[in-house]
Amino acid sequence: QKEVEQDPGPLSVPEGAIVSLNCTYSNSAFQYFMWYRQYSRKGPELLMYTYSSGNKEDGRFTAQVDKSSKYISLFIRDSQPSDSATYLCAMTGYGGATNKLIFGTGTLLAVQP
Amino acid sequence: NAGVTQTPKFRILKIGQSMTLQCTQDMNHNYMYWYRQDPGMGLKLIYYSVGAGITDKGEVPNGYNVSRSTTEDFPLRLELAAPSQTSVYFCASSYSENTEAFFGQGTRLTVV
Repeated sequence: QKEVEQDPGPLSVPEGAIVSLNCTYSNSAFQYFMWYRQYSRKGPELLMYTYSSGNKEDGRFTAQVDKSSKYISLFIRDSQPSDSATYLCAMTGYGGATNKLIFGTGTLLAVQP
Repeated sequence: NAGVTQTPKFRILKIGQSMTLQCTQDMNHNYMYWYRQDPGMGLKLIYYSVGAGITDKGEVPNGYNVSRSTTEDFPLRLELAAPSQTSVYFCASSYSENTEAFFGQGTRLTVV
């Protein structure tokens, strides 16, 4: 079983739609959960950062973490063509086997104008 | 404000050749990472370092070597290049294991 599983996509939605991106993980020691956005031919950049369980909102973006289910989500409201990119979940923890940043496979999102 | 700098940006290598991918960061970060990204496969961790003089294997270390003699530099060495090493390589750095990682622009490597 992979440590981090992510819905593969690709995902195509019309402008203005609500987008839901998800990841599951297997190691309960992960404590820090992140979403990175990667535009074509660029390096990933941090979009959202969450510690432990709960929700975090930043403008049109909401990150949710459910540690009991080992499930994290990223919601994008009122999606825009400029949101078209690959979205990668990532997670890490304290020390031991989780002291490194592990990524999911990424979901390619296309927002159609 | 340079951040993480990778060189070269592109490289074509013949099977069996060797090369070093360079990575430098100017943020005084302790952690540095090397990932490879294949189409539809996300980022796979090759090696990482938690500080100067300390390195450890990631998910896919075979065929690669690293060193970390200074805080700033984390070169990735490919010995005996193989077509399976054709990929985009990203270097990243972070202050600690649970803080934001900053990425370089990537090196596109083709082995023919």
